[in-house]
Amino acid sequence: KAGVTQTPRYLIKTRGQQVTLSCSPISGHRSVSWYQQTPGQGLQFLFEYFSETQRNKGNFPGRFSGRQFSNSRSEMNVSTLELGDSALYLCASSLGDYRNEQFFGPGTRLTVL
Amino acid sequence: DAKTTQPTSMDCAEGRAANLPCNHSTISGNEYVYWYRQIHSQGPQYIIHGLKNNETNEMASLIITEDRKSSTLILPHATLRDTAVYYCIVRVANRGGADGLTFGKGTHLIIQP
Repeated sequence: KAGVTQTPRYLIKTRGQQVTLSCSPISGHRSVSWYQQTPGQGLQFLFEYFSETQRNKGNFPGRFSGRQFSNSRSEMNVSTLELGDSALYLCASSLGDYRNEQFFGPGTRLTVL
Repeated sequence: DAKTTQPTSMDCAEGRAANLPCNHSTISGNEYVYWYRQIHSQGPQYIIHGLKNNETNEMASLIITEDRKSSTLILPHATLRDTAVYYCIVRVANRGGADGLTFGKGTHLIIQP
């Protein structure tokens, strides 16, 4: 069974631009969660989508948004990029039930100049 | 979610058992203990989880004390590839979904040849 895939793997943007990251979950998984990882703040939860609906949300500004499609693939968008948005963005998929066993992708490394 | 405390770093000789402790003295009765690890530059990887009984899978064993206030993750025969940051996470498993995991600083386990 193929794992979680994320595209692109690396991205360089400048301040003020916007960016869209993509995540394809494991086949059969209906839940997709997004995390941001920085050296200073560690791994932080952004939001989770289940059956095309945002079900949970972390403490990030509205510049961070996402969506999920009917095939469970998910995209994350960051508008008006700031230098502090430079990070590894990780996507995790799961069945979305009580077990909470999440499978992470390799991440997208975003650099904002 | 209950707070966890882990040592910042640990060393272990290759081939020996690596025992990683985690303190979760404020754990509630319906909270599970989860372990994930993150190898450098990769996404986190699920290892194991448990409620109150000891658990074992192909990767590791999880020993939870009778009062559930602490636990130990055991890698029975550590290899160099087990060098990673190990995260102990405590959370409710029956929230009806895979909402955000709260990652702390974790323990940086270094396997020495």
